Amino acid sequence: DTEVTQTPKHLVMGMTNKKSLKCEQHMGHRAMYWYKQKAKKPPELMFVYSYEKLSINESVPSRFSPECPNSSLLNLHLHALQPEDSALYLCASSLLAGGYEQYFGPGTRLTVT
Amino acid sequence: SQQGEEDPQALSIQEGENATMNCSYKTSINNLQWYRQNSGRGLVHLILIRSNEREKHSGRLRVTLDTSKKSSSLLITASRAADTASYFCATDPGANSKLTFGKGITLSVRP
Repeated sequence: DTEVTQTPKHLVMGMTNKKSLKCEQHMGHRAMYWYKQKAKKPPELMFVYSYEKLSINESVPSRFSPECPNSSLLNLHLHALQPEDSALYLCASSLLAGGYEQYFGPGTRLTVT
Repeated sequence: SQQGEEDPQALSIQEGENATMNCSYKTSINNLQWYRQNSGRGLVHLILIRSNEREKHSGRLRVTLDTSKKSSSLLITASRAADTASYFCATDPGANSKLTFGKGITLSVRP
């Protein structure tokens, strides 16, 4: 199984809502990533988890809270988002952090109203 | 800021033609990777070339790497309409470091 799954595919939320994005992989990868991508721009790294521990946080606002409950799952908890946070959120995984290709999920299209 | 910079930013070719995309970068790398993204979808890994490799092939794809010039090229031979997508190069400094994407190239293949 070489697939990374993400749920939901689409999410519309108000600025006072709390929601979560979920990501799952069963490839035995020990590194997982969250990226944010705006239209016609490259993905921007948000967080890296290595062996279920947060190893990189790219100065992301605290309204985004990542969680890695186990080696297969990665969550991104969202709270009090702003309209400018509307974007495609991509999850990826790789065998280890650094030096390996990354496998991406299809993304969650987030709209903040 | 992006590490890789692709050239050209947009490319339009006829089906059957070859497409060449270039990527330049600034600092030392462990490897360089190319990804494809269809509109609004996730990225698909195409090929990874390590710093000690000069050329790599995968099907209709050929990637070269010149570390002295800090540049890479992706050649897609005999292009198809299904190759229409955005292509990104990404540089990887190595262990415990992050992948940094270039701005991307939009490839349109006309049937």
